[in-house]
Order: sequence, then C-alpha cells, then structure tokens
Amino acid sequence: DIVMTQSPDSLAVSLGERATINCKSSQSVLYSSNKKNYLGWYQQKPGQPPKLLIYWASTRESGVPDRFSGSGSGTDFSLTISSLQAEDVAVYFCHQHYTTPHTFGQGTKLEIK
Amino acid sequence: QVQLVESGGGVVQPGGSLRLSCAASGFTLSNYGMHWVRQAPGKGLEGVAVLSSDGNEKYYSGSVQGRFTISRDNSKNTLDLQMNSLRAEDTAIYYCVKSYYEGVYGYQVYWGQGTQVTVSS
Repeated sequence: DIVMTQSPDSLAVSLGERATINCKSSQSVLYSSNKKNYLGWYQQKPGQPPKLLIYWASTRESGVPDRFSGSGSGTDFSLTISSLQAEDVAVYFCHQHYTTPHTFGQGTKLEIK
Repeated sequence: QVQLVESGGGVVQPGGSLRLSCAASGFTLSNYGMHWVRQAPGKGLEGVAVLSSDGNEKYYSGSVQGRFTISRDNSKNTLDLQMNSLRAEDTAIYYCVKSYYEGVYGYQVYWGQGTQVTVSS
C-alpha cells in the first residue's frame, strides 16, 4: 500500500496569515499516460464528513474559495491557504487514488494562533 | 442534488455481523465507482472497499479482506457493505462515498454523513 505522510501533525496560524500543509507519498502517484497526479485534499470539520477541496493535486473543486491552492507532483505535495479565515479551522487530509486500496494521510489539525 | 444516506450501523458483539446500506439520490449509483471509507474514533481515514460501476472491479483493504463484501442493488439505487466476523478494531464511522467517474481510481467527490458501528461485548 502507498503510505501518505503529512507534516506537520498540527499547525497554528494567525488570521490572515498563510498556512501550508505538506504531504509525501511512499511512491509516485503521477500517472505517466495522462500526466495527472492522483492526489486530492479534503477538509473535515468536527462532526462532519470530509469535503473535497482539491483534485488532480492542483484543481480546486467547484465552490472552494480561491485562497485554497494545491501544488506538487510525483511524491511531494502541498496545500496552501493564502490568508487564513476563522472558518478554515479543521483537519486536512491528503488522499492518493493511484492504486487500490486508496490511502490517506494521518491528517493535519489547523488552528488559529 | 446528490445525497447519500447511510444506515444499518449499531452495536454488535465481536464475531457478529452487520449490513450497512447507502441510499443514493440525485444521481444513478450504478454509473459511478462507489466507496466505503471508515474513520475510527479520533483517528484518520481508511478506504475499506471500492466497487466499479460495472461491478467487475472490487477491492478491499487488507484489514477487511475476506470478512467484508461490497455490493450494489441497482433497482433500489443503494450500495451495501456486508460485514462479518467483526472485531473491536472495526469500530468506526462508516462513510459511503461517490467517485467522480465509473472506475475505482477516482477522487472521492461526495461523502455521506456516515453511520456508527461499534463492536463491543
């Protein structure tokens, strides 16, 4: 199975500041035939199911604010929130769907400093 | 509007069985790859099982292989998960999840609210 490792485990950022979460996969999730990275990012707030934010490593899902962006390729990826808002407090997960079983990072808890 | 509603969770003794069901509305379930993903209390996410739209591809995590079976009832537009030989470590919220396309390698677009399964004597 592909192991997804996120860093840091938790992060405290001031309102309006930038937050960056990293995700590393144990093998490449870049599919050579279509040049797509099979990597997504999800946001989970307490008592709610995860919500898709980013797919194909860098494409924002419809309705997701443009302060959220994804980057990276191969084995190293990042999720960046350019200007943290109070409603962004949540746990964030990366997810690979390059192989089965799909696997997730352990999660990064984002809080307000 | 897409909606996924899970049911069938509850408390069961170790070694027992449960059958989860996921009712889909707003789309035809048989046109998409569908997943069951679980989350143990205070823990991360684990992909448990996935089923392709044509039913030809089914995959399970190693921790449930041989004990869980994913299936679909096209006439009812539902996705099921039969869980046998349950263990304490199967205790989790179980989510039904819709893929963006018909296969098993898609990103997971929409999640239901989940159903709680507790395995305890």
